[in-house]
Amino acid sequence: DVKVTQSSRYLVKRTGEKVFLECVQDMDHENMFWYRQDPGLGLRLIYFSYDVKMKEKGDIPEGYSVSREKKERFSLILESASTNQTSMYLCASSLEWDKATFGSGTRLTVV
Amino acid sequence: KNEVEQSPQNLTAQEGEFITINCSYSVGISALHWLQQHPGGGIVSLFMLSSGKKKHGRLIATINIQEKHSSLHITASHPRDSAVYICAVTGNYGGATNKLIFGTGTLLAVQP
Repeated sequence: DVKVTQSSRYLVKRTGEKVFLECVQDMDHENMFWYRQDPGLGLRLIYFSYDVKMKEKGDIPEGYSVSREKKERFSLILESASTNQTSMYLCASSLEWDKATFGSGTRLTVV
Repeated sequence: KNEVEQSPQNLTAQEGEFITINCSYSVGISALHWLQQHPGGGIVSLFMLSSGKKKHGRLIATINIQEKHSSLHITASHPRDSAVYICAVTGNYGGATNKLIFGTGTLLAVQP
């Protein structure tokens, strides 16, 4: 089975901290995505990457950056965490048109 | 207007009822996904389909490409089916392949 693994299930960080959320997939997928999920807003795309070292902004990239140094790993970085970044973060990966696999999510609380 | 819309947003059912959740989309897609998220839990992929119908246990998913519409049905619903059900589509837009777009989800509560 394809696996998309997010390093932390729950995370609590302080305002102003630099936060790294890690996502690893084991199926050589080209495309990887980071979303956040908020009540009433559904899942919104933060950043995506379609190849190593390639990245594209999604719908809500402000306050975030990403890194894709290796094909299997896509990191989401909160440069200076703020309370409005408290959310559920979801990573996904896909090969071509029809194989999207999701991680189990990281619930981040910024205090 | 959202590119993927689900209805209803909230649904309460009695155990044993037949449940239908609808998803309409306005973009060209290659595949549609139905996902399930239990309270406090991660997201699990239920179905991925690009045509026709798929069945897994008490869950059935259908898609009509011409009408840009999909339905998720739950037969003989049970309280353990209580979850958020999310419709998502994959397609080629915004300059990138395989961009995933999600609906806002349907919160289902099945009462005993």
